[in-house]
Amino acid sequence: DVKVTQSSRYLVKRTGEKVFLECVQDMDHENMFWYRQDPGLGLRLIYFSYDVKMKEKGDIPEGYSVSREKKERFSLILESASTNQTSMYLCASRGDNNQPQHFGDGTRLSIL
Amino acid sequence: RKEVEQDPGPFNVPEGATVAFNCTYSNSASQSFFWYRQDCRKEPKLLMSVYSSGNEDGRFTAQLNRASQYISLLIRDSKLSDSATYLCAVRGGGLKTIFGAGTRLFVKA
Repeated sequence: DVKVTQSSRYLVKRTGEKVFLECVQDMDHENMFWYRQDPGLGLRLIYFSYDVKMKEKGDIPEGYSVSREKKERFSLILESASTNQTSMYLCASRGDNNQPQHFGDGTRLSIL
Repeated sequence: RKEVEQDPGPFNVPEGATVAFNCTYSNSASQSFFWYRQDCRKEPKLLMSVYSSGNEDGRFTAQLNRASQYISLLIRDSKLSDSATYLCAVRGGGLKTIFGAGTRLFVKA
């Protein structure tokens, strides 16, 4: 089974802090993704990566950056956290194009 | 028009009922299709892939209609434990997967 591990289930940070969310997968997948999920808005893609050191903007990249220094790890960074970034953050990974994505448990982030 | 659309529901059905959800997509070049299940405050989990010829997994049947650009999920003999939100997911030739906003199902005793 694919295992996608996110570093924290719950996180509380303050406005203006720099926040790091970590994601690790154990299936040697090339493709990794960061989403946020909010009530009524569904899953929205923030950033994705198709290879080490490669990154692409998703639909809502503003206020976020990412890092992929190793194939198994994809980090999401909130440069200066704001209250509107309070959300559920989901990491996912995928192998080749015909394969489904597999999600981590999610991080419920609150910015106060 | 959204790229992937689902009826948000909720669908309220009694145990033992058969219920079906549809999901329409706008990109005719879409190639891969999936159904996910998401429980409250949990991550989406893959329920099943959807193949061109249709496929079944126990009480669940998924079908693809390319001509009308929709996929469907049929649940037979509904159980209380089937209560969840069901997300469809569609991918074209690129890297991005587009998810529907989900259909909520409540199965009642």
